[in-house]
Amino acid sequence: AQKITQTQPGMFVQEKEAVTLDCTYDTSDQSYGLFWYKQPSSGEMIFLIYQGSYDEQNATEGRYSLNFQKARKSANLVISASQLGDSAMYFCAMREGMFSGGYNKLIFGAGTRLAVHP
Amino acid sequence: EAQVTQNPRYLITVTGKKLTVTCSQNMNHEYMSWYRQDPGLGLRQIYYSMNVEVTDKGDVPEGYKVSRKEKRNFPLILESPSPNQTSLYFCASSFKGQGIYTQYFGPGTRLTVL
Repeated sequence: AQKITQTQPGMFVQEKEAVTLDCTYDTSDQSYGLFWYKQPSSGEMIFLIYQGSYDEQNATEGRYSLNFQKARKSANLVISASQLGDSAMYFCAMREGMFSGGYNKLIFGAGTRLAVHP
Repeated sequence: EAQVTQNPRYLITVTGKKLTVTCSQNMNHEYMSWYRQDPGLGLRQIYYSMNVEVTDKGDVPEGYKVSRKEKRNFPLILESPSPNQTSLYFCASSFKGQGIYTQYFGPGTRLTVL
């Protein structure tokens, strides 16, 4: 079964608008972490934002915020005020708990390609 | 500058010719991993290491070997590459910072096996 599901293979958004990239996850662990990475066309993986399963508040980093809904097992990335440089592939990933051996591994979704139009 | 480096960045080789992709990090991280990225599949872990001389298989270890003789280096070895190992490879390192274990990735190595 897929542990990380990103249902949007591609998205586009107008410059300066907000966009939400969906991510749902599946784990039986109580302690886990959720990450979003950005991969521009140059190929590198850039860490954007992290949400721990016990964090009570949604994580924010500049224009990025993570809409964490634990009961629904979703961890959507919200990018506010999109910029042309936000055009990239975005990956949602999960680190499971220690007893799942998870702290050494990220489980990735298939990614969402975002295109920002001027 | 804190970073993970990989070499080579691009490699075209032929089936059966042994190759090594090097990975080095200068952040004194305990944990290191190798991932491969394939379209539609995201990244999948090949091998990981928790410290020097401690390595274990990830989700897709077949056809790969690793070693961790020094803390900073974690080379990936393909003894007899095959075309299905054509992929984009990432090395990553992490540490237990505030229990988060954020993984920091190298720039990637694009491998083509003919």
